[in-house]
Amino acid sequence: EADIYQTPRYLVIGTGKKITLECSQTMGHDKMYWYQQDPGMELHLIHYSYGVNSTEKGDLSSESTVSRIRTEHFPLTLESARPSHTSQYLCASSEFGQGREKLFFGSGTQLSVL
Amino acid sequence: SQQGEEDPQALSIQEGENATMNCSYKTSINNLQWYRQNSGRGLVHLILIRSNEREKHSGRLRVTLDTSKKSSSLLITASRAADTASYFCATVVWGKLIFGQGTELSVKP
Repeated sequence: EADIYQTPRYLVIGTGKKITLECSQTMGHDKMYWYQQDPGMELHLIHYSYGVNSTEKGDLSSESTVSRIRTEHFPLTLESARPSHTSQYLCASSEFGQGREKLFFGSGTQLSVL
Repeated sequence: SQQGEEDPQALSIQEGENATMNCSYKTSINNLQWYRQNSGRGLVHLILIRSNEREKHSGRLRVTLDTSKKSSSLLITASRAADTASYFCATVVWGKLIFGQGTELSVKP
């Protein structure tokens, strides 16, 4: 059972609102990731982190931002949500090092922006 | 573009039949991983095969890797209705795990 948690599970909000998607893991993993998943299933990496105070942008450009102040916590923030941000957001973590990239995923946050 | 491409995009079989999904990738790899996703949930790691391995088994799962063809296959034997899910291959590119487009498997009872 993966010890990585995402909240909320579902979020419906209006355009222009600021939101934060929470992600926490209790496995002590150094690396954490945010993926955005379209309805057609494809996953896109939008942010990742190698450890505390490390954040990098992924392959898909995103207007969201992330922070990594504590090892176990990797929140994602949208300053002003728009309908184009409607998607499923998946958080994951892994150990650091070659061959240790096995990812543990949270259950995801389904975001709908009206 | 994505590192991995999978085929078929969708597969529908009867319970008890075998299901085979294929994955092709573009760059050299250290390992290749397969994940499963139940509808609307997070992904679950199934199996990791290293670049120096050609075949690996885990229960009813069999994964093969052909680095010369840059391809891998996932075989699920004696499928069950509970195997209905989406299956993704993933490879590490510059320290990041990049996923294929996935195969949607439907196992009918």
